[in-house]
Amino acid sequence: GESVGLHLPTLSVQEGDNSIINCAYSNSASDYFIWYKQESGKGPQFIIDIRSNMDKRQGQRVTVLLNKTVKHLSLQIAATQPGDSAVYFCAENHFGNEKLTFGTGTRLTIIP
Amino acid sequence: NAGVTQTPKFRILKIGQSMTLQCAQDMNHNYMYWYRQDPGMGLKLIYYSVGAGITDKGEVPNGYNVSRSTTEDFPLRLELAAPSQTSVYFCASIKRDTDTQYFGPGTRLTVL
Repeated sequence: GESVGLHLPTLSVQEGDNSIINCAYSNSASDYFIWYKQESGKGPQFIIDIRSNMDKRQGQRVTVLLNKTVKHLSLQIAATQPGDSAVYFCAENHFGNEKLTFGTGTRLTIIP
Repeated sequence: NAGVTQTPKFRILKIGQSMTLQCAQDMNHNYMYWYRQDPGMGLKLIYYSVGAGITDKGEVPNGYNVSRSTTEDFPLRLELAAPSQTSVYFCASIKRDTDTQYFGPGTRLTVL
């Protein structure tokens, strides 16, 4: 069936460096993608989203890149801080579908 | 706005007991969702609702029931608790014509 998957389950990054978290999806009809951040003991928190008519979108210290050719999504976090330590999930949807499909998640650890 | 609220935060049940997990949102969102998240895993959709009086099954509905009598509330019912239902349960909602899901803080349920 269709799935959204992540390349790496864990990622450790030095504080101040940039982080890149990757996500692969298999549904060619997917046209909307979201990144969520989940801190320990909390619910997922929306970070940034992108639609399939774009290949890049920037927020505050975060950038999402979408490569529809290879069905790949990435989240870049600039100048990582200790507060960026969390599990990051990608999710996808397509027009007419009422449900998001979530990936397993990548745990990002920031090393002081 | 309080956003999406969930009660209780924690609960321990004995096998065979029943309980209702409460979810409410004050954003006048149409779509509401229930997910479960097992340790180290992603989110699995249990049930969802696109409006008052309308509910539908997600990926893992067995052992659960829902109702949606009002726009604000979307309770999740466990009739005969089983150890396999030990998990963290998240409720989420979406405003019509948007795709971003907003999550509640979660209910941590243990069945012994």
